Amino acid sequence: DGGITQSPKYLFRKEGQNVTLSCEQNLNHDAMYWYRQDPGQGLRLIYYSQIVNDFQKGDIAEGYSVSREKKESFPLTVTSAQKNPTAFYLCASGSSWDRGLNQPQHFGDGTRLSIL
Amino acid sequence: KQEVTQIPAALSVPEGENLVLNCSFTDSAIYNLQWFRQDPGKGLTSLLLIQSSQREQTSGRLNASLDKSSGRSTLYIAASQPGDSATYLCAVVVSGNTPLVFGKGTRLSVIA
Repeated sequence: DGGITQSPKYLFRKEGQNVTLSCEQNLNHDAMYWYRQDPGQGLRLIYYSQIVNDFQKGDIAEGYSVSREKKESFPLTVTSAQKNPTAFYLCASGSSWDRGLNQPQHFGDGTRLSIL
Repeated sequence: KQEVTQIPAALSVPEGENLVLNCSFTDSAIYNLQWFRQDPGKGLTSLLLIQSSQREQTSGRLNASLDKSSGRSTLYIAASQPGDSATYLCAVVVSGNTPLVFGKGTRLSVIA
């Protein structure tokens, strides 16, 4: 079945450590997105990519980095510069046009990141 | 900057009741609006997508309406069931492959 796979489901980060969250999709979608979800805050956009080898900062990009070397993959690195990384991270993909109509964005099951 | 507001933040209803969740957005120039469901600790599941040219979409017991001119959407759930308990999120897209802008959600509890 087509979908989005995020791994790992749970991740722990030590002080000063960079960690990378994986996101893979087999939906042939051009665009991919990373969101952060905190309790009571809703979803906030970290980075997004509309095409391979290109990406844009979202509202809260500081302390994060991404790459888009393949259409199927959009990994997110949480760097040591992100001082409050504990959150639920959601990856999504989307494609605007399918026979001329918008199609819904699809989401992975998320990665929960905590500080050790 | 587009802002999306959902009211109420939480709602508790007895099983079998019909209910309405509200979503408002500040800029009426949207591309589409999407309603999602999120169960605790899980990702988001798309429920309904309304194109900017449409007024409503239906799926089973769910009906979503869109009034672009007033910047409002509602999600109507008929004959609610305990399995409908979840957080419901509304999101809008301004254009093309641009990111969704989310509301903070309404947490629904349906009591058996």
